[in-house]
Amino acid sequence: SQQGEEDPQALSIQEGENATMNCSYKTSINNLQWYRQNSGRGLVHLILIRSNEREKHSGRLRVTLDTSKKSSSLLITASRAADTASYFCATDAAGSQGNLIFGKGTKLSVKP
Amino acid sequence: NAGVMQNPRHLVRRRGQEARLRCSPMKGHSHVYWYRQLPEEGLKFMVYLQKENIIDESGMPKERFSAEFPKEGPSILRIQQVVRGDSAAYFCASSSTGGTQPQHFGDGTRLSIL
Repeated sequence: SQQGEEDPQALSIQEGENATMNCSYKTSINNLQWYRQNSGRGLVHLILIRSNEREKHSGRLRVTLDTSKKSSSLLITASRAADTASYFCATDAAGSQGNLIFGKGTKLSVKP
Repeated sequence: NAGVMQNPRHLVRRRGQEARLRCSPMKGHSHVYWYRQLPEEGLKFMVYLQKENIIDESGMPKERFSAEFPKEGPSILRIQQVVRGDSAAYFCASSSTGGTQPQHFGDGTRLSIL
């Protein structure tokens, strides 16, 4: 069964605005990761947050994790046109071998 | 410092033919994962291999699909007797230690079945 589910499915904002994407999952996890995918390309790892962490920052990215609600959010501050891409959360279930379970993604469009 | 290399980038096959997808992991990585992505969907795990061993193939269809990662050379995902439903983008990812680690993805092979 699908683990991660992102919302919204699509998000359109102006350059300079912040973008927030949410992810929910169903089972216990070791960690949660966020990836980005530009059209026609592979996924690029953005940030990993472990199940015992609540918040993590990396540059303009801020990720939160609420294991009690089984949810995570990705915030991109001061967005740029180059941030236009699809964003996926991925989890590896506790006890798994490390294979990732992806949601359907949020398609972000940042207008210049 | 090459990343994960997949080839071909695009592959067209007729129904009933065989498709072979290749993946060379990042240098120093011995853990390889294969995923399949349908249009407008997230990636679905297929198989996890570590040099010469299949660790987890729980996402692989029971028939027509096989994967290998020999001691020398790239990992191969083989699809025999392809059908229209096999049309998708197939991505390979690698990591240095497996387990809870970020995975590095190739740009995928887009398989089209005529």
